[in-house]
Amino acid sequence: DTGVSQDPRHKITKRGQNVTFRCDPISEHNRLYWYRQTLGQGPEFLTYFQNEAQLEKSRLLSDRFSAERPKGSFSTLEIQRTEQGDSAMYLCASSTRTSYNEQFFGPGTRLTVL
Amino acid sequence: AQRVTQPEKLLSVFKGAPVELKCNYSYSGSPELFWYVQYSRQRLQLLLRHISRESIKGFTADLNKGETSFHLKKPFAQEEDSAMYYCALSGGRSSNTGKLIFGQGTTLQVKP
Repeated sequence: DTGVSQDPRHKITKRGQNVTFRCDPISEHNRLYWYRQTLGQGPEFLTYFQNEAQLEKSRLLSDRFSAERPKGSFSTLEIQRTEQGDSAMYLCASSTRTSYNEQFFGPGTRLTVL
Repeated sequence: AQRVTQPEKLLSVFKGAPVELKCNYSYSGSPELFWYVQYSRQRLQLLLRHISRESIKGFTADLNKGETSFHLKKPFAQEEDSAMYYCALSGGRSSNTGKLIFGQGTTLQVKP
């Protein structure tokens, strides 16, 4: 499968724990996006990278959230001290720099915070 | 404020009936508009974009700047069209980020 992959697909954690998600974009794509989707809502933009540089962060991304893309390939999204309100589907997408509006989405990681 | 509104959570039609999924947007500038679709147990995927002015799977969408709308239409619905549809916008070439702003989504249910 040469599409965007995300790991894990599901994560259940207790409030206060830290979690980390991974996204592997399509190999030739240099842009990588993170979105969050809660029940009944459309995806909401969190942040994006061009190669290893994080170029924009949403106000939704509180200090407890951090994202990295150290070598311009895969990316990680870490949530520290999780809260029940963090329960959501976390989606990753990638695109080329020139066709940045055609984003290819991964299957998502569903986070449940108990 | 940048916003996309899809007023219908659910649209239910019979096979062969025309379909119109509504989308209105608010954006100061010249946005690019898209429709993304998510079929059951599949990932979100791009259906069409306004700049392409193409028909995909029989669907078309016209950008109406006066009414700030980008409604998705199909003359004859098929059962395989049943899915969740999201309207989305980006800032276009002026912003160059590719950040997408999505509506809440409309579930299209095509009954046999």
